[in-house]
Amino acid sequence: GAVVSQHPSRVICKSGTSVKIECRSLDFQATTMFWYRQFPKKSLMLMATSNEGSKATYEQGVEKDKFLINHASLTLSTLTVTSAHPEDSSFYICSASPGWLAKNIQYFGAGTRLSVL
Amino acid sequence: AQRVTQPEKLLSVFKGAPVELKCNYSYSGSPELFWYVQYSRQRLQLLLRHISRESIKGFTADLNKGETSFHLKKPFAQEEDSAMYYCALRRTNAGGTSYGKLTFGQGTILTVHP
Repeated sequence: GAVVSQHPSRVICKSGTSVKIECRSLDFQATTMFWYRQFPKKSLMLMATSNEGSKATYEQGVEKDKFLINHASLTLSTLTVTSAHPEDSSFYICSASPGWLAKNIQYFGAGTRLSVL
Repeated sequence: AQRVTQPEKLLSVFKGAPVELKCNYSYSGSPELFWYVQYSRQRLQLLLRHISRESIKGFTADLNKGETSFHLKKPFAQEEDSAMYYCALRRTNAGGTSYGKLTFGQGTILTVHP
């Protein structure tokens, strides 16, 4: 099946620093990638949707200057948490889809646990 | 706007007992519904989608448009079914083709006791 690799799986950083998380589709071209945030034992909250070669579409309440998303190729999207603060500590999950339409299921990465000290 | 509700945060059953995880949705059109499962320390993976009408690992789910529900059922639960289950919805266009982002419910943690 389709594999989505997310790296790193865990990162600890100091407050004020920036952290980059990568999401790669290993065996398919991902026209669309999604970034989610998951709180402990709670639902996934969609942060943004990115289509290759265009600007990401952010969900309401998500700061685009805080969470920079780049989808420069069909196999790679990155999420950069800028000037991270302790409240940004969370589990971030990406998913990738071969396309926008019905048959194109989202395949999920294993997630990145971010801890901001 | 679409919304997915899973009323039970936790559900415990004994091995061999039937299990039903509830999911209700609100959406003005005809949605596409999914169930995703997340086993301990593993990534989220698709369990089933209503358009496929298939049974995966003994689980089935029927879309009930009258009740706006998509409950997940299994007649005999197994210990390995213990996991977090998410119901999700994707909207459809006028032609009935689903597209775009998934809206997830809050999730239900299923524990199957031996």
